[in-house]
Amino acid sequence: AQKITQTQPGMFVQEKEAVTLDCTYDTSDQSYGLFWYKQPSSGEMIFLIYQGSYDEQNATEGRYSLNFQKARKSANLVISASQLGDSAMYFCAMREGGNSNYQLIWGAGTKLIIKP
Amino acid sequence: DADVTQTPRNRITKTGKRIMLECSQTKGHDRMYWYRQDPGLGLRLIYYSFDVKDINKGEISDGYSVSRQAQAKFSLSLESAIPNQTALYFCATSDVEEAEQFFGPGTRLTVL
Repeated sequence: AQKITQTQPGMFVQEKEAVTLDCTYDTSDQSYGLFWYKQPSSGEMIFLIYQGSYDEQNATEGRYSLNFQKARKSANLVISASQLGDSAMYFCAMREGGNSNYQLIWGAGTKLIIKP
Repeated sequence: DADVTQTPRNRITKTGKRIMLECSQTKGHDRMYWYRQDPGLGLRLIYYSFDVKDINKGEISDGYSVSRQAQAKFSLSLESAIPNQTALYFCATSDVEEAEQFFGPGTRLTVL
């Protein structure tokens, strides 16, 4: 079974609109972390935001926020006021267990295209 | 200067050739990783190392080997390249106290 599922292979969004990118996860661990990375067409992987399973508040970083719904096992990325430069692939990833664990498990990604 | 660098950035090689991809970091992190990225599959872990004397296989280590020459350097080798190893390869680092992994710019490898 997939541990990280990103159900939207691609999305088109009008500039300045808000965007929600879906991510659901599957784990039986109580301690885990969820990450979002951005990969522009140039190829590099850019860390956006992190949510720990014990964090009571949703993580926010500038225009990025993570809508963490623990009971539903979802960790959706919300981008407010989208910009043309937000066009990229977006990956959700999970680390099970604590920081001593090494492995990130990755989703297949969502390709986001912002239309002017 | 970039914290995590990879060389080469692009490489085209032929089936059966030996090739080495190199990674260097200035972040002072003990942990280093090699991933490959194929379209539609996200990233998959090839090898990881927690320090110079600790090297471990990841999800897809067959056909690859690694060397951790120093804390700052972690190399990935393909002993006999084959076409299905054509992919984008990433090196990453992390610190036990930090949550995220920091990625290099990637090496695009094509095996003909």
